[in-house]
Amino acid sequence: DAMVIQNPRYQVTQFGKPVTLSCSQTLNHNVMYWYQQKSSQAPKLLFHYYDKDFNNEADTPDNFQSRRPNTSFCFLDIRSPGLGDAAMYLCATSRGTAQVGRLQPQHFGDGTRLSIL
Amino acid sequence: KQEVTQIPAALSVPEGENLVLNCSFTDSAIYNLQWFRQDPGKGLTSLLLIQSSQREQTSGRLNASLDKSSGRSTLYIAASQPGDSATYLCAVTVQGAQKLVFGQGTRLTINP
Repeated sequence: DAMVIQNPRYQVTQFGKPVTLSCSQTLNHNVMYWYQQKSSQAPKLLFHYYDKDFNNEADTPDNFQSRRPNTSFCFLDIRSPGLGDAAMYLCATSRGTAQVGRLQPQHFGDGTRLSIL
Repeated sequence: KQEVTQIPAALSVPEGENLVLNCSFTDSAIYNLQWFRQDPGKGLTSLLLIQSSQREQTSGRLNASLDKSSGRSTLYIAASQPGDSATYLCAVTVQGAQKLVFGQGTRLTINP
């Protein structure tokens, strides 16, 4: 089935040690998003790619970076994880249209739960 | 700045009851509103999407309404089942941006 796949499901890293989270999709959607969700909180958008165009949220720390080498894959890099970065990281995709805001439903992966030791 | 609020934060009801979840947003300049379901430790599943020009959407036992002028949406669940237990989140698409703003969710428990 077409879907959004996140690897790994659980990731443990050490304080300050760089970590990369992966997302792939078979939906051929042109928009991909990364969200951070802390316990009992709303998902918070970090950034998104519209095709190859990268859109960073104003309050996303510089510690968070992203790469999208092709339509199917998108990576979240955390350069120096701190204890406050422990969270669930959600990847989502949608079919963007030329009319801003006319988004199709977003499809989410199951997330990667990141723990920091 | 758009803010989305969901009340109540948690709700527990016996199986079979009809129930309503509430969502409010501060800025009526939205393109659409989406309801999601999130099971523990999982990602989000889209349930219903209502465009700003629409008043409601239905899918099976779920019905979502939208009153953009008052900044409110409701998700109605008919004949609730234990399998409906999950966290339900609403989110709006902000005008001029390709992104969603989420509420914090309502954690729903259906008791057998």
